[in-house]
This record gives sequence, C-alpha cells and structure tokens, in this order.
Amino acid sequence: KAGVTQTPRYLIKTRGQQVTLSCSPISGHRSVSWYQQTPGQGLQFLFEYFSETQKNKGNFPGRFSGRQFSNSRSEMNVSTLELGDSALYLCASSRDRGREQYFGPGTRLTVT
Amino acid sequence: AQSVTQLGSHVSVSEGALVLLRCNYSSSVPPYLFWYVQYPNQGLQLLLKYTSAATLVKGINGFEAEFKKSETSFHLTKPSAHMSDAAEYFCAVTSGGATNKLIFGTGTLLAVQP
Repeated sequence: KAGVTQTPRYLIKTRGQQVTLSCSPISGHRSVSWYQQTPGQGLQFLFEYFSETQKNKGNFPGRFSGRQFSNSRSEMNVSTLELGDSALYLCASSRDRGREQYFGPGTRLTVT
Repeated sequence: AQSVTQLGSHVSVSEGALVLLRCNYSSSVPPYLFWYVQYPNQGLQLLLKYTSAATLVKGINGFEAEFKKSETSFHLTKPSAHMSDAAEYFCAVTSGGATNKLIFGTGTLLAVQP
C-alpha cells in the first residue's frame, strides 16, 4: 500500500508570494492533518481535516489555510509569505479520528 | 491543555547498550501517547502507540514503552542499541479519540557510538 505522498518535496519562494502544498493520504484514510516543523519551534499542529471539514486549527495566522477534497486529498496554502514561514511542512493521514497517523516525507519550503 | 516534556535533547549510547528516552506528559483527559522517529531529511515514522489498552506497548525495531499513570510518564526503551537507531525521537500526545491534533515534545537526538 502506498504511503502518504506530498508534492512538491522542495520549494523556494520569495517574500510576499503565496504557495500551495499538496498531500495525498494513504488509500482509505479519511483524516488528514498538517504540521509545521522548524528548528526553533519544533513540530506544531496546523490543521486537521476529516471528510472535507476542518475539525481543528492550530495557533497560526489567517495566512495559513487549507482544504480537503472529496477523495481525501488535501492542500494547504500560505499567502503573503514571510521569512519565518521557512520550514518542513508535514502531512499525516489516518483512517479515522483518534487513530494512529502516518506521515509523509514533507515539503521543504524556503522563503527568501 | 496537554503537553509533553522530553528530558534530554541529546542522548548518546554505545552500540549494544540500553536505550532510554524519557517522556512525561500532562493531560486533563485520558491521553493517547505516541513515539515517532525521524531520520534526516525524512518524515516521521510511528514507532508505537498507547491508547488505553495494555500499559506496556511493543513497537517496531525492538522498541517498547510503558505507560505509567502515577508518574505521568511514557519512556521509550530498547535493550540493545544498533547504529541504525541513530535518529531524532519525538513523543506526542492527543486527547484520546476525539481529535488527531498531536502535541509533540521537543525531540531527543539519539547518537549511537561504535
């Protein structure tokens, strides 16, 4: 069974631009969550989606948004990029809420 | 509110020695607890999970962890370290089955010396 896939793997953007990251969950998984990993702040929760509905949101500004499609694939968008948005963005999927989550390889975003 | 504390940001052991990575949690509701491992330039791999069943949980690669409610701990152990165990390890907590929001500890970087 294929794991969680994330595209692109690496991305370089300029301050002020916007970016969209994509996540395809494991087949049959209905829940997708997003996390930001930085050396300074560690792993921080961004969003949780289940059946196309946002169930939870972390403490991030409104520039960070996401959505989930009917096939459970998810995207997250960051608008007006700042240098501090440089991070590894990880997506995780699970069969249902409260079940173990499996992570993708991440998208490494660099903002210059 | 929930939180996780990992004592020791860096741990070094000799190959063949016992691995002990410490994790203490705080939760106002019965927690679900997880250990993940991250190798360089990779995502997180689930090692094991505690979801209110057996308190001694066995995971992959010979790792295990024991849930101790009285000590609010969920320490990760492996009897004999292998060079391939060198990685960063994260303990995480959620509030049971109600959410997938994982609260992570700050991680412990494990070095294995030959």
